[in-house]
Amino acid sequence: DTGVSQNPRHKITKRGQNVTFRCDPISEHNRLYWYRQTLGQGPEFLTYFQNEAQLEKSRLLSDRFSAERPKGSFSTLEIQRTEQGDSAMYLCASSAGPGFETQYFGPGTRLLVL
Amino acid sequence: GQNIDQPTEMTATEGAIVQINCTYQTSGFNGLFWYQQHAGEAPTFLSYNVLDGLEEKGRFSSFLSRSKGYSYLLLKELQMKDSASYLCAVRPTDSWGKLQFGAGTQVVVTP
Repeated sequence: DTGVSQNPRHKITKRGQNVTFRCDPISEHNRLYWYRQTLGQGPEFLTYFQNEAQLEKSRLLSDRFSAERPKGSFSTLEIQRTEQGDSAMYLCASSAGPGFETQYFGPGTRLLVL
Repeated sequence: GQNIDQPTEMTATEGAIVQINCTYQTSGFNGLFWYQQHAGEAPTFLSYNVLDGLEEKGRFSSFLSRSKGYSYLLLKELQMKDSASYLCAVRPTDSWGKLQFGAGTQVVVTP
């Protein structure tokens, strides 16, 4: 059983550029989550999907952020017009759904915006 | 919303026991999770409590009191590899998806 995988693991970009991250959940997990974590803080919820439906999006998430899960398997998170404040670790997690609540995290994508 | 508090840092000696407390304030509660996170790595699941009481899993135990909004994680027979951040997270009833995390407790195990 392979765990949650994320690509790329590291991304350095210049302010104003767009970036896209990919997450592949544990196979047959129908729930997928995105979080953001900055140094010294716990992960902060961004959004989650059940299958291909995006069921919740944090009010903190600006409209520069968009996430998709087109076929209910992998997901992408895009950040448009990046800002220095977007520098963080972006974590993806998956779970098997109702009754199986534990979220299993991927290794994360570390974003640095210069 | 949620307010989750846990100590910033704790230091203990190899072989000892450490208890990490977590208090939360919530308008709705549907489970509490503990995760371990080594520096630069992903959080890994340790335990899940939804009912009051103690859950034991090897060297790690977790306790929950819903009436007091309180949980603790007990680490026994500390090993050097247990040096990590320990994250307390609550699943609120107004969201079946998200976990609300505390800032984490950095545990330092010394020889």
